[in-house]
Amino acid sequence: LAKTTQPISMDSYEGQEVNITCSHNNIATNDYITWYQQFPSQGPRFIIQGYKTKVTNEVASLFIPADRKSSTLSLPRVSLSDTAVYYCLVLGAGNMLTFGGGTRLMVKP
Amino acid sequence: DTGVSQNPRHKITKRGQNVTFRCDPISEHNRLYWYRQTLGQGPEFLTYFQNEAQLEKSRLLSDRFSAERPKGSFSTLEIQRTEQGDSAMYLCASSTNRGANYGYTFGSGTRLTVV
Repeated sequence: LAKTTQPISMDSYEGQEVNITCSHNNIATNDYITWYQQFPSQGPRFIIQGYKTKVTNEVASLFIPADRKSSTLSLPRVSLSDTAVYYCLVLGAGNMLTFGGGTRLMVKP
Repeated sequence: DTGVSQNPRHKITKRGQNVTFRCDPISEHNRLYWYRQTLGQGPEFLTYFQNEAQLEKSRLLSDRFSAERPKGSFSTLEIQRTEQGDSAMYLCASSTNRGANYGYTFGSGTRLTVV
């Protein structure tokens, strides 16, 4: 399983764009990159997944460079309700979701 | 369908007692997973089922932990002779048989406190 490294915590202010970068140097050819969000006292929630280049949905964008050794989750115009822990995961077919410590994002007014 | 349901939401038990948690997955999901999460850490995988078959259980923390999914629908996680170190949030998730690449849906968890 590819190991991921992401910042332990980040602070931001309402209305700003937040970019959380994750490194996954030993990602395998068939691995996907997935991000989950977790609020206190709730289970993690799937945000976005990608293989290469850029993926966008109604919640976030995911940027993956050509070498795929890192990825960046971009949250546009964050609000207080985006305060949560964000997990970057790398997984291949048949693997279980394996979580690291995640990035604790604090959005301030 | 309202998602993955876990009961109870909170459980306080005395050390040495047995506890059982229930998980009801999304009805069309045939895979079901159990995770444990301690304060400040990410969820830790415990075991998973495809239908009624338990396909991975080597990560169960000790032989005091067991899980069942007798009819391929709901699942139970039992902890026997609880210890204070078992205090944690126990999370259940479900997915289709395409597995992790297509997203897991997690429940809100059962928070266990062993006193």
